[in-house]
Amino acid sequence: QSVLTQPPSVSGAPGQRVTISCTGSTSNIGAGYDVHWYRQLPGTAPKLLIYGNNERTSGVPDRFSGSRSGTSASLAISGLQAEDEADYYCQSYDTSLSPSYVFGTGTKVTVL
Amino acid sequence: QVQLVQSGPEVKRPGTSVKVSCKASGFTFSSSAMEWVRQTRGQRLEWIGWIVIGSGKTNYAQSFQERVTITWDTSTRTAYMDLRSLRAEDSAIYYCAADVDTAMDYWGRGTPVTVSS
Repeated sequence: QSVLTQPPSVSGAPGQRVTISCTGSTSNIGAGYDVHWYRQLPGTAPKLLIYGNNERTSGVPDRFSGSRSGTSASLAISGLQAEDEADYYCQSYDTSLSPSYVFGTGTKVTVL
Repeated sequence: QVQLVQSGPEVKRPGTSVKVSCKASGFTFSSSAMEWVRQTRGQRLEWIGWIVIGSGKTNYAQSFQERVTITWDTSTRTAYMDLRSLRAEDSAIYYCAADVDTAMDYWGRGTPVTVSS
C-alpha cells in the first residue's frame, strides 16, 4: 500500500506560521485526486479538518489553509495557538495497485 | 447529529478472528460509504476498506484482501469489519468512518484490538 510522506514533526512559537508537507506520487496526488487533512488530539479519533484540498470543515478557523501542487500538498497553520498542538494526517486516493485510500505518515505539531 | 458507536475492546489469540461493529445514525445511508481504518501503536493510519452502503459494494486494501470482510446490516444500521487469521501485528485501534460528502467526514471513537497468546 502506497503512503504519503510527511515530516515527523514541526514546531513553532505562538503566533508563528507552520507548514506541513504531504508528498505523494503520480498515482495519487499527482493524478489529481483530492487531498484531505485530519487532526488528531491525544487519545481521540482523527477529525476531518480540510477536505477537497482547501475547503475547511465547519468551525475550522481560517488560520488553517490547504493547497495542492503537482505530486504534493500542504497544510499551513498561521497564528499558531497552543490548541493547535496535535497530530495531522493527509489522505488521498491511490491507483497504483488496486484503487485504495492512502494516508500520510503523520506530523506532530508542537507549540513552543 | 451523526453518531458512530463502535463495539468494545477485544483481546484475541493469534489465528482467530475479530468482528468489530459500528452502529450509525444521523445521516443519509443510501448515498454514503463506511470506511474502516486502523491505527497501530506506531501511530500510522492504515486504510482497510470500504462498503458503499446503498449498493453493498466493497473494496479492500490489497494487504487485507484475503483476510477481511466488511458488511452492512440495513435493519440495524450497523457496519461490521471481520478480520481473520489474526497476528500480533494486527493489534491496533480500529475505526469506522462515514464518508458522507467527499472525505471521511465522521469517525467512531475506535475499538482497541489486542492480539496476544
